[in-house]
Amino acid sequence: EPEVTQTPSHQVTQMGQEVILRCVPISNHLYFYWYRQILGQKVEFLVSFYNNEISEKSEIFDDQFSVERPDGSNFTLKIRSTKLEDSAMYFCASRTLSEKLFFGSGTQLSVL
Amino acid sequence: GESVGLHLPTLSVQEGDNSIINCAYSNSASDYFIWYKQESGKGPQFIIDIRSNMDKRQGQRVTVLLNKTVKHLSLQIAATQPGDSAVYFCAENINYGQNFVFGPGTRLSVLP
Repeated sequence: EPEVTQTPSHQVTQMGQEVILRCVPISNHLYFYWYRQILGQKVEFLVSFYNNEISEKSEIFDDQFSVERPDGSNFTLKIRSTKLEDSAMYFCASRTLSEKLFFGSGTQLSVL
Repeated sequence: GESVGLHLPTLSVQEGDNSIINCAYSNSASDYFIWYKQESGKGPQFIIDIRSNMDKRQGQRVTVLLNKTVKHLSLQIAATQPGDSAVYFCAENINYGQNFVFGPGTRLSVLP
C-alpha cells in the first residue's frame, strides 16, 4: 500500500535555529498538509497546500513557518527560528480530492 | 505537578467485549468524518469514514454511527483485541474543504 514518508524521524535543534522537515506524499495525491501534535494533545492543523500554493493555514502557522514543494515529489516544512514551544510531533499528510487523509509516521522535533 | 493535555478520556474494556468510542463534532456544516487510530509514536491511521448522507457504515469489526441532529459520531469496535489499544480520534471536514479538524481523542485500553 502506498504511504507518506517523512524524514528525519527525530530532529533535535537549538532554540533559534532553522529546521526543515521533509515529506514525500503519495504520488498521485494533490493535496498536502502539515499537522502537529504536542505530547498528549490532539492533532492540530497547520497548513494545506494545493496547486503549488497554500490553500489554508491556521493561526499556528505564523511568519516563522513556510512550506515548499521544491520538486515533483517532496513537500517541506521550514521553521525559520525555532522556539521551545515548537517542540512537537509534526505529521505530513496527503490526499486526493474525495479521499481520506493519509498520514506519515511523523518527525519528532525537540527544541532545546 | 500535572501536565496539561495528558488526561485523555480513557475507555477500558475487557478483551472480547465490544467498545464504543464517542465524539461530539463542532460544526453542523461538516459533511465528511473519519475515525483515526493512533498508536504510541506513530501517525494517525485511517479506520473508517462516513459522509453526512449516511447514518451508519460498517467495516471489518468496526461500525461508525452518525447522528447529525446532535452532532455526534461514534465508533463501535466488535470483539475488542489487545491490538486495538490506542488513542482514537474523530476528524471532521466541510464540503471537501482543506482542513480536517480533529477531536481531542479517547484512549482505549484493552484488559486481558
